[in-house]
Amino acid sequence: GESVGLHLPTLSVQEGDNSIINCAYSNSASDYFIWYKQESGKGPQFIIDIRSNMDKRQGQRVTVLLNKTVKHLSLQIAATQPGDSAVYFCAEKTPLRQGAQKLVFGQGTRLTINP
Amino acid sequence: DVKVTQSSRYLVKRTGEKVFLECVQDMDHENMFWYRQDPGLGLRLIYFSYDVKMKEKGDIPEGYSVSREKKERFSLILESASTNQTSMYLCASGQGGTGNTIYFGEGSWLTVV
Repeated sequence: GESVGLHLPTLSVQEGDNSIINCAYSNSASDYFIWYKQESGKGPQFIIDIRSNMDKRQGQRVTVLLNKTVKHLSLQIAATQPGDSAVYFCAEKTPLRQGAQKLVFGQGTRLTINP
Repeated sequence: DVKVTQSSRYLVKRTGEKVFLECVQDMDHENMFWYRQDPGLGLRLIYFSYDVKMKEKGDIPEGYSVSREKKERFSLILESASTNQTSMYLCASGQGGTGNTIYFGEGSWLTVV
């Protein structure tokens, strides 16, 4: 069935260090993946995305890696800052019919940046 | 910037009341979604719509209905609110096709007493 799971529910890193958040997905038909950041009391905020025909994509301080062989996704955040503390969700987008998609979320990882 | 606006941030309703949650997007997106978010359960899809007047059930549609009379507006309706519908409700929208991001509103906190 469809499921997107995260390996660790919580992650603590020192300010300035790099962090890696992992995600496993099960639907091989998913063609697009998104990472979201959610701060307390707010809606999920788009961070970075990747299509299934890519294996790496970089943004500002963030990199997403996709390994379709093992259905694994990761988010790397470089030089973490206090503002990076949040819950991070991976989501897979599954096509349903022309133009329609379904977005399935993982449970989320809470990232805490220690000063 | 994409803007997804949820009309109410905080609501308190009584059991049995009819509740409307409104969502408006300003990017002419085809797809709109309603999720609820609960601790330990993550985001779960209630309903989605891929066109005006079109709707599809998500994973947990029981107790909810939706309305999409105009492309920019997607409403979630609780016909008779119950305490187990106390949750944070998130609206999202996105363009159709592969590779188009889905954007979220700020959420509506509903408490049913």
